[in-house]
Amino acid sequence: NAGVTQTPKFRVLKTGQSMTLLCAQDMNHEYMYWYRQDPGMGLRLIHYSVGEGTTAKGEVPDGYNVSRLKKQNFLLGLESAAPSQTSVYFCASTTDGYSGANVLTFGAGSRLTVL
Amino acid sequence: GQNIDQPTEMTATEGAIVQINCTYQTSGFNGLFWYQQHAGEAPTFLSYNVLDGLEEKGRFSSFLSRSKGYSYLLLKELQMKDSASYLCAVMDSNYQLIWGAGTKLIIKP
Repeated sequence: NAGVTQTPKFRVLKTGQSMTLLCAQDMNHEYMYWYRQDPGMGLRLIHYSVGEGTTAKGEVPDGYNVSRLKKQNFLLGLESAAPSQTSVYFCASTTDGYSGANVLTFGAGSRLTVL
Repeated sequence: GQNIDQPTEMTATEGAIVQINCTYQTSGFNGLFWYQQHAGEAPTFLSYNVLDGLEEKGRFSSFLSRSKGYSYLLLKELQMKDSASYLCAVMDSNYQLIWGAGTKLIIKP
């Protein structure tokens, strides 16, 4: 049972390049999230999905797009990377995001550097 | 605005007890979570409090006072493997998680 798998784990981009981060979960979770984690700051929600075919904006959505074509996959895209997007990105999932008792299962993280 | 405050860094000795505090101001409250995050790894769930009081789980306990907007995580019999960052997060009235910046705990022999 793999849980939540993120690819790639590391990536270096030049300003203006595009890329896609892939998140895959095998727990049949409905809710999936993309966070970014920066030094000295709490996790910040970029986008999330409450089910296959749905997406919604989080706290810091600008410069990112997402898609959830299949229930198990949640893709995060950067159309034109900027140095401000240098960060560690975490994908997470849960069975019910509107239940306070449900906990998040996180992927191992993707470290992105934009030069 | 919504805010979660926790100390940036704490140091403790192996075998001792440490208390990590978290204060919050959020729009509504649907529970408070503690996660552990080792350096370079993913956060993992430790505890959840929605009612006032103490929840004990082995060497770890978590306390909540909703009236004071306050929680703490208590770690007993500290081990070197407890060196990690501890993240406090509150679920607000819209069921969105608000995260603190985390407390880096350093354990010394």
